[in-house]
Amino acid sequence: DTEVTQTPKHLVMGMTNKKSLKCEQHMGHRAMYWYKQKAKKPPELMFVYSYEKLSINESVPSRFSPECPNSSLLNLHLHALQPEDSALYLCASSQGMLAGGGDTQYFGPGTRLTVL
Amino acid sequence: QKEVEQNSGPLSVPEGAIASLNCTYSDRGSQSFFWYRQYSGKSPELIMSIYSNGDKEDGRFTAQLNKASQYVSLLIRDSQPSDSATYLCAVNKSGGSNYKLTFGKGTLLTVNP
Repeated sequence: DTEVTQTPKHLVMGMTNKKSLKCEQHMGHRAMYWYKQKAKKPPELMFVYSYEKLSINESVPSRFSPECPNSSLLNLHLHALQPEDSALYLCASSQGMLAGGGDTQYFGPGTRLTVL
Repeated sequence: QKEVEQNSGPLSVPEGAIASLNCTYSDRGSQSFFWYRQYSGKSPELIMSIYSNGDKEDGRFTAQLNKASQYVSLLIRDSQPSDSATYLCAVNKSGGSNYKLTFGKGTLLTVNP
């Protein structure tokens, strides 16, 4: 089973709202990711958690705040977003190889975010 | 030179034909290569991973890797209309984090009935 779940599927929020995206996996993976994808573009990496610690932050604005409460859960807290932040937000997970070749990432279905 | 390059397409093939999708990469030390399929409005779905030179087959899909030429391809045999999607090539570069994938821009494939 390579299932990553994400909630909600769709989210509409105003620029002053605070909301959260949730991601969950039960594959025993130790690396989890947040990506942002705009239409007709490839996914852009935002954050990586490895063994529940923030490993990579791709210079993402502070209005996006990730959280990894445990090895199965990943949240993305949103605050004071801009309309240009509207996109498909993808969560992914992988086994979490600490060395060696690339780690296969499995994507969740995504959350379609619209900022008004 | 872009790090991972794909023809954006669209690539149009008739049903039952072989679709050939190509990807080149610039980092000679890259170690891991992935093909994802993405339907419009959906998330990327892993099709194939390949790590060694040569061919890797899985059902109607064959991935081919040539590290000397820095080239990876995906062949889809007996193409079906349901294969119509954007195919993303992703590469894990050497010397960096194992967790960072570099994606190509994707090739839009259309299979005509």
